[in-house]
Order: sequence, then C-alpha cells, then structure tokens
Amino acid sequence: AQSVTQLDSQVPVFEEAPVELRCNYSSSVSVYLFWYVQYPNQGLQLLLKYLSGSTLVKGINGFEAEFNKSQTSFHLRKPSVHISDTAEYFCAVSEPTGANNLFFGTGTRLTVIP
Amino acid sequence: DGGITQSPKYLFRKEGQNVTLSCEQNLNHDAMYWYRQDPGQGLRLIYYSQIVNDFQKGDIAEGYSVSREKKESFPLTVTSAQKNPTAFYLCASSHGDETQYFGPGTRLLVL
Repeated sequence: AQSVTQLDSQVPVFEEAPVELRCNYSSSVSVYLFWYVQYPNQGLQLLLKYLSGSTLVKGINGFEAEFNKSQTSFHLRKPSVHISDTAEYFCAVSEPTGANNLFFGTGTRLTVIP
Repeated sequence: DGGITQSPKYLFRKEGQNVTLSCEQNLNHDAMYWYRQDPGQGLRLIYYSQIVNDFQKGDIAEGYSVSREKKESFPLTVTSAQKNPTAFYLCASSHGDETQYFGPGTRLLVL
C-alpha cells in the first residue's frame, strides 16, 4: 500500500529565506509524485509533478522539487520565499497504472514571517 | 473559461438530513473524484468515477453516495448515516495525464 509522510506539520521561515518542505513516500512500484498548494478556504492548486524523466522538476511560483528514488523522497524547495507563499502544501503520490487515485500526506503549513 | 465548480460554498445540515453537494466540470475529463479534508489531515478519498454510469468506493465511502449520469457532473450526497459530516469537501477531475484538478470546495457544517 502507498503512503506519504510529510515530516513537518508547520514550517516558519523569514521572508526572502530559502525553504525546504520534506516529503517521503512508500511504494513497491514506480510512482507519480505531486505537490499541491492550498490557500485558506480554497481548493488545491498544482505546483509541480514528476511523471518520468529528469528528477529535478520545476513548477510555478519559483518552486522546484527533486525526485530521489533511492531515498523515496520528493522534497519541495524555493530559494527565496515571499509573504504570498504562506499556505498549506500537500505532497501526493499515485501509481501509473490503475485508477489514478492520489494518496496525500497530512500537509505542511508554511508561514512566511515579514 | 474551463474549470471545476462546486456549490454551494457553505452548506448547513440538520441532524438526520441528507444533503447534496454539487460538482460540475467543463474540462471534458473522464474521471472525477470526491475528497474529504479535516483539519490537520490530508485529503481522503470518498468516491471516484472513471467513466459515466460507473463509480467506485474510496477509503471512507460509508455514509456517502454518488451518481454519475453525465460526464460533466458528479454530485455527492451526505446521508444521515454519516455521523461526523463536518468537513471541507473537494471535488477533482482528471484525464489522460494523471493530473487531478480541484474545485474550490464546499464547507459542510452541522447545525
């Protein structure tokens, strides 16, 4: 069975500092990996995804993530955060075959401090 | 202007009442999904449908029901059997590239 672990429930960081949000998954097969962002009382917006190919994936709003198969990780990074990046971030995994169901982590609340 | 719409934004349910949450998409996606989100938890799958007139239970289907009579519509009914319905409900759709796109959500509250 698949599972996703987001080790940090809350991450405070000062404006213009770098940030890394951690995500680890467990799966016995190859996977697709996603990062979504959720602003208060809104739906989820796709930040980036890894399906195949280059392990370094660039997304919107200056975010990027690196797929590391040996460590089963897909950490999200941004070199310099803005106040507007304050939100909840979810890592998710799905299998390439089957029903395309997503399995989500419990989320990381990123708070950017002025 | 393509996208996924959910209505209402807020919904109040009285004890013993069934309520229905609407989800519509004009993206021509085949698959649609319903998730429940509780504070401090990730999203949990309630039901999904890969094609019209077919749907499958997710991880937490008890107390919920769905229908998929049209490709663009996937309504969710929260029945009186769901004893803890207060949550944020999110609908999503996908087609081909495995990426799920989400609607804005409906917050259900119990009176």
